[in-house]
Amino acid sequence: DAKTTQPPSMDCAEGRAANLPCNHSTISGNEYVYWYRQIHSQGPQYIIHGLKNNETNEMASLIITEDRKSSTLILPHATLRDTAVYYCIVVYSGGYQKVTFGTGTKLQVIP
Amino acid sequence: DVKVTQSSRYLVKRTGEKVFLECVQDMDHENMFWYRQDPGLGLRLIYFSYDVKMKEKGDIPEGYSVSREKKERFSLILESASTNQTSMYLCASSLQGRVGTRTNEQFFGPGTRLTVL
Repeated sequence: DAKTTQPPSMDCAEGRAANLPCNHSTISGNEYVYWYRQIHSQGPQYIIHGLKNNETNEMASLIITEDRKSSTLILPHATLRDTAVYYCIVVYSGGYQKVTFGTGTKLQVIP
Repeated sequence: DVKVTQSSRYLVKRTGEKVFLECVQDMDHENMFWYRQDPGLGLRLIYFSYDVKMKEKGDIPEGYSVSREKKERFSLILESASTNQTSMYLCASSLQGRVGTRTNEQFFGPGTRLTVL
C-alpha cells in the first residue's frame, strides 16, 4: 500500500482558504486518494476522495497533480469549526480496505 | 444515518485482566475495523473483518484478538491487558462497495479510552 506524507501542523486565518498538502509519490494507478478529518474527541469523518480528476463537494475541493504523486485539500473559507486533524490516505481499488491513516495534519484555524 | 456505537467511552482495567471492547453498527456493513490512536502515532489499524467469522491482521495485531460472530458486531479482545495498551480505541465500519465511490466511506464510532493500570 502507498504511504502518504503530510506536514504535522498548519495554521490558517478564519475566512481564508486552507490548503492542506499530501505527498503519495508511490501511489499506483488503481489507488484512490481519500481525505478524512478528526475533530477533537470524535472519530474521523469522510471529506472527499478522487482518482485523477479534481473533485469538489459541499465540504472541500481536492486537487490531484497530473502525475498523481501529490494532492491538496482545499477548504475554501475556513471557520473555527474546521480546526481538526486531516488525514490523507490511499485506498487500493481491489481486495479489502486495509488502509493506513498515519498521523495527519493538525489544522488550527485562527480567529 | 449510519450509527457505530462502542460499549464504553472510558474504561479502566488492571494489568493482566481480559478486556472486551464491543462495537455495533446498524447499517448492515460488511467491513468492520479496529484502530488504536496514540499521540504522535496517528491511527493504526489493529484488525479488520470483511465478513462474519472472517478477520485480517492490520499493522499492529500483537496482543489483540477479534471476534465477529454476527454481521453487526465486532469485538476487540485484550487477552491479558498491559500498560502499553493504554490508548484510544476506535471502531469503524463500511460497505464492501467499489473503491472510488462514496460507498467505501468508513464510519467511525466515538471511541473508547482505555486505561490499563
